[in-house]
Amino acid sequence: NAGVTQTPKFQVLKTGQSMTLQCAQDMNHNSMYWYRQDPGMGLRLIYYSASEGTTDKGEVPNGYNVSRLNKREFSLRLESAAPSQTSVYFCASRSGGTSGRYTDTQYFGPGTRLTVL
Amino acid sequence: GIQVEQSPPDLILQEGANSTLRCNFSDSVNNLQWFHQNPWGQLINLFYIPSGTKQNGRLSATTVATERYSLLYISSSQTTDSGVYFCAVMNSGYSTLTFGKGTMLLVSP
Repeated sequence: NAGVTQTPKFQVLKTGQSMTLQCAQDMNHNSMYWYRQDPGMGLRLIYYSASEGTTDKGEVPNGYNVSRLNKREFSLRLESAAPSQTSVYFCASRSGGTSGRYTDTQYFGPGTRLTVL
Repeated sequence: GIQVEQSPPDLILQEGANSTLRCNFSDSVNNLQWFHQNPWGQLINLFYIPSGTKQNGRLSATTVATERYSLLYISSSQTTDSGVYFCAVMNSGYSTLTFGKGTMLLVSP
């Protein structure tokens, strides 16, 4: 079991360039998430997908798009990168579709460190 | 939305010391998790604890949902405990976690 994998690990972009961050999980989880982490800000939710075929905005969706390609894969796209999008991006998947179960845990990928110049 | 406050923001300990980290939240929750982010950036789930007490080795956690707080206890701290500890909560009726800003812990030898 690889858990949650993300590619790439590092990326440097110029302002205005586009890129897609890839995420995959092999735990058969329904829900997947994209977060960004900035110094002193904790983790903020960008987009999430509660199940295959659905996506919803989180706290900071502007400038991003997502695709839930299938149950395993959830990608994050930056159409026109801006310096404000310099951050560390984490993908996560969730066991337990309904809170209140014995265990309802999020599993995180290793992160992608993105710098936009 | 729900507010999550963690304290203290920073903590420095000598190896072997005990510590208590606190998480206060502003509304009722049906999901609360504690995470550890190691110095290499990896986030690991420590506990799923919407209420009650759990223990895992030197770590234990208690959530008093009616009073809207959770505590993470670290006993006999080790240098490998260093990193940032996050509390995250989920409101009833929602399906996403809200994270606190974390407590940065440094354990020195």
